[in-house]
Amino acid sequence: EVQPVESGGGLVQPGGSLKLSCAASGFTFSGSAMHWVRQASGKGLEWVGRIRSKANNYATAYAASVKGRFTISRDDSKNTAYLQMNSLKSEDTAVYYCSNGKDVWGQGTTVTVSS
Amino acid sequence: QSALTQPASVSGSPGQSITISCTGSSSDVGGYNYVSWYQQRPGKAPKLMIYEVSNRPSGVSNRFSGSKSGNTASLTISGLQAEDEADYYCSSYTSSSTLEFGGGTKLTVL
Repeated sequence: EVQPVESGGGLVQPGGSLKLSCAASGFTFSGSAMHWVRQASGKGLEWVGRIRSKANNYATAYAASVKGRFTISRDDSKNTAYLQMNSLKSEDTAVYYCSNGKDVWGQGTTVTVSS
Repeated sequence: QSALTQPASVSGSPGQSITISCTGSSSDVGGYNYVSWYQQRPGKAPKLMIYEVSNRPSGVSNRFSGSKSGNTASLTISGLQAEDEADYYCSSYTSSSTLEFGGGTKLTVL
């Protein structure tokens, strides 16, 4: 089944950092843009950001709510995308999904920012 | 507040048709044919139902259809079934090369 696997979620204090991973298989990872999308409990989907492929210069873009705090990267040799989250706030608490921006979605990993 | 506006809820009886709207602007929905629709059941990841305004991925029932007029995209579900009960989200590419989602619509099958 084509489904990325997210990992790295957990409990972190406000102001702290966390790095999520998204290990993909079953599709042409290196040729795909990879997105991160989050969902707070009981709330809607919120696009976090994306990284394009090597052919598109690994261009990144971010939502205004995370710009300057979050960084997306990828390692095509490992078929893995990453989300580095710094200066975390309570409002960053959510389930974080990685996706190809279309039909491939992981099951998500939970990030809780709390003291 | 989401950049794309969806009704919070819609409902219909089995066999009926319903339509969910997604209103944006010329900087997103109206400016590009990159509108997608997702179905999400509780505790599950979103599932792509429509991409590029009106295209259905393989395996998605032809009861689901999408369209767009101006700055508003629509998802229509015909022959409503109990299994269609879920949350539905639209998304659109934007002029800032970002993606944005609507606030979501809860579909209730009566």
